[in-house]
Amino acid sequence: QTVVTQEPSLSVSPGGTVTLTCGLRSGSVSTFYYPSWYQQTPGQAPRRLIYSTNTRSSGVPDRFSGSILGNKAALTITGAQADDESVYHCVLYMDRGFWEFGGGTKLTVL
Amino acid sequence: QITLKESGPTLVKPTQTLTLTCTFSGFSLSTSGVGVGWIRQSPGKALECLALIYWNDDKRYSPSLRSRLTITKDTSKHQVVLTMTNMDPVDTATYFCAHGLFLASGFEPFDYWGQGALVTVSS
Repeated sequence: QTVVTQEPSLSVSPGGTVTLTCGLRSGSVSTFYYPSWYQQTPGQAPRRLIYSTNTRSSGVPDRFSGSILGNKAALTITGAQADDESVYHCVLYMDRGFWEFGGGTKLTVL
Repeated sequence: QITLKESGPTLVKPTQTLTLTCTFSGFSLSTSGVGVGWIRQSPGKALECLALIYWNDDKRYSPSLRSRLTITKDTSKHQVVLTMTNMDPVDTATYFCAHGLFLASGFEPFDYWGQGALVTVSS
C-alpha cells in the first residue's frame, strides 16, 4: 500500500495552470517532510524540479513552483507547455529517516 | 560535473542474489552531507527507494525490503554496491543510483541520477 499519495492522472490545456499534490494516506505533509518533485519522460531518469518544498533546482523554469497547500505538498505549473507532458513524482522524508516516493501523476497537455 | 552509472547483470534467475554497482565521479562520498541512494522502477510503475548510504557510513533501507538488501561504499573506488537476495520476477525493474546532499541546514535529495540498469528476473 502506498503511503504517499498522488493523483494518478491530470490534464491541462496549453498555457493553463495545473496543481499536482502529494499527500499522506494518514496525516499531513509539512515542510519537515522536505517534499521534492521530479519530472520523468519515457525511457529517461527522473529530473529534479523542486526540493525542500519550494526551492527550484538549477535550470528549472520559474513556471514550476512548489508549496504546501492545506495538508499536502503541491507542484504548480503555470503556463503549461506541450513538453511538460510527463510523469511527475514526489518524494517525502519519512520519520524512519527514509525517503518514500508517491505513485506518480501522469500529466497530459491537451 | 557529477555523473553516476549503474552496472550489473541484465538477467538473474529467481532465488539468486543481485549485485549492482554504482560508479560515480564529480563528488566524494567522504564529504560531509553526501549520500547515494538506490531507487528502482518496475515497468510502468512508481519509483521506489531501496537503500541509502551516507558519507558517515550511516545506512537506511526500505522497511519492506530491509531483510534482503545490503548497501556498501568504497570511497577510494568511487563506488556504491547494492546487493539484493532471493530475487523474484516481481523485482524486474530499472535500478537507478542517485546522488543527494543531506545537510543539517536542509535536504537536497536525488539531484543527479544514473541512466538506470534494467534487471530482468526470469528462469
